[in-house]
Amino acid sequence: AQSVTQPDIHITVSEGASLELRCNYSYGATPYLFWYVQSPGQGLQLLLKYFSGDTLVQGIKGFEAEFKRSQSSFNLRKPSVHWSDAAEYFCAVGAPEISNFGNEKLTFGTGTRLTIIP
Amino acid sequence: DSGVTQTPKHLITATGQRVTLRCSPRSGDLSVYWYQQSLDQGLQFLIHYYNGEERAKGNILERFSAQQFPDLHSELNLSSLELGDSALYFCASSVDASGGLGSYEQYFGPGTRLTVT
Repeated sequence: AQSVTQPDIHITVSEGASLELRCNYSYGATPYLFWYVQSPGQGLQLLLKYFSGDTLVQGIKGFEAEFKRSQSSFNLRKPSVHWSDAAEYFCAVGAPEISNFGNEKLTFGTGTRLTIIP
Repeated sequence: DSGVTQTPKHLITATGQRVTLRCSPRSGDLSVYWYQQSLDQGLQFLIHYYNGEERAKGNILERFSAQQFPDLHSELNLSSLELGDSALYFCASSVDASGGLGSYEQYFGPGTRLTVT
């Protein structure tokens, strides 16, 4: 079964600094990969997705992520963070090769809480 | 706003009680997924419905059940509630359940926070 690891439970960065959140997955083939953001008291918002093709994907709010097959990683990046980016970030994986009409669940990592300091 | 709605936003109830959580998917989406988010288990997939039929079950307790109605809204029923059932329950929807891209791009509602006392 597929799994996702987000090694960093909590990250603190200064406003204006660059950001990289790590995500590693375990799956026997190329998965579908997602990043979601959850602001306090809110639901999950889809930031970006990777299905195939170009390994660098652009998302909303200035975020991007790069799929690296050799490292089984899908790290999220942003060149300059804003105070409003403070939230919890979840990486998720879908496993299309084993999907057979009913296995389209997403498996989530444990999340990384991002704190922004002025 | 994802277009997925969930009611109620908050629910406080006592142990042993039964509650119903409601979800309306985005317009045009046929698939509904339920997830539970708790401090100790993280985000866990519970169950998936497609066009009124159950498609897959995840870590869903036997005390929990769900259904999807002809108008595509879904309800998650939680019975004989225990303290450990306190969690945030999310509903997500996607276009279809074909195993293709449309199945996996899931949009989440704001969640229902359940507190069992």
